[in-house]
Amino acid sequence: GENVEQHPSTLSVQEGDSAVIKCTYSDSASNYFPWYKQELGKRPQLIIDIRSNVGEKKDQRIAVTLNKTAKHFSLHITETQPEDSAVYFCAAKLLQGAQKLVFGQGTRLTINP
Amino acid sequence: NAGVTQTPKFRVLKTGQSMTLLCAQDMNHEYMYWYRQDPGMGLRLIHYSVGEGTTAKGEVPDGYNVSRLKKQNFLLGLESAAPSQTSVYFCASSLPGQHTGELFFGEGSRLTVL
Repeated sequence: GENVEQHPSTLSVQEGDSAVIKCTYSDSASNYFPWYKQELGKRPQLIIDIRSNVGEKKDQRIAVTLNKTAKHFSLHITETQPEDSAVYFCAAKLLQGAQKLVFGQGTRLTINP
Repeated sequence: NAGVTQTPKFRVLKTGQSMTLLCAQDMNHEYMYWYRQDPGMGLRLIHYSVGEGTTAKGEVPDGYNVSRLKKQNFLLGLESAAPSQTSVYFCASSLPGQHTGELFFGEGSRLTVL
C-alpha cells in the first residue's frame, strides 16, 4: 500500500520569509496529492491539491510542485504571515476507485513575528 | 448546512468500557471515513465506507468496529477500550474518488481512556 513520508516535522520561519514542506510517496500509481492545514484545536481543511497530470499549481501565496519521477511533492508558502502557523499534512492516493487517502506525519509550522 | 458533525466531542472512559462515536453528514456524500490523530503520527485511517451498508478496514482497524446503516451516518464503536485508544478521532466524508478527492472533516472527538 501507499506510504507517505513528510519532512520536516517542525519548521520555524520569520514572518515574511518562505516555508517549504516536502513529502515523498511510495506508490507510483498515486495520482492525487492534497495538502491539508490544521489550525490549533480545529479540523483539517484542504488548502491546495495537485493531480499527476501537472507539475505545479499555485493559489496566491501557496504553491505545490510534483516530481512524479522522484515521487516527491512539496508545499511552498511565500510571504508567510502569522495566520499561516498551523500543522500541515500532505497526502496521496489513487483518485479512481475506492482508494484510501494516506497522510504524512504532519509539519508544525510556526511563523515568528 | 452543518457539514460533518461528530458526537460526543469529549469523552473519558475507563479501560474495558465500551462506547460509540457518531458521525453525521448532510452533504449526500457516498464515502465516509474514521481517522485517529496522535502526535507525530499524522492522520491514520481506522475504517471507511464507500456506501450505505458497506465498510472496510483502514490502516489501524484493530479494536474498532463500524457500521453504516444509513448513508448520512457512520458509527465508530470501541467494544473494550484500552489506554492505547486515547486519541482525537476525526470523521470525514467525500464524494466518490473520481469526482474529487477532498475530505470534509468533522470537528473531532477527544477520547481519553484511563
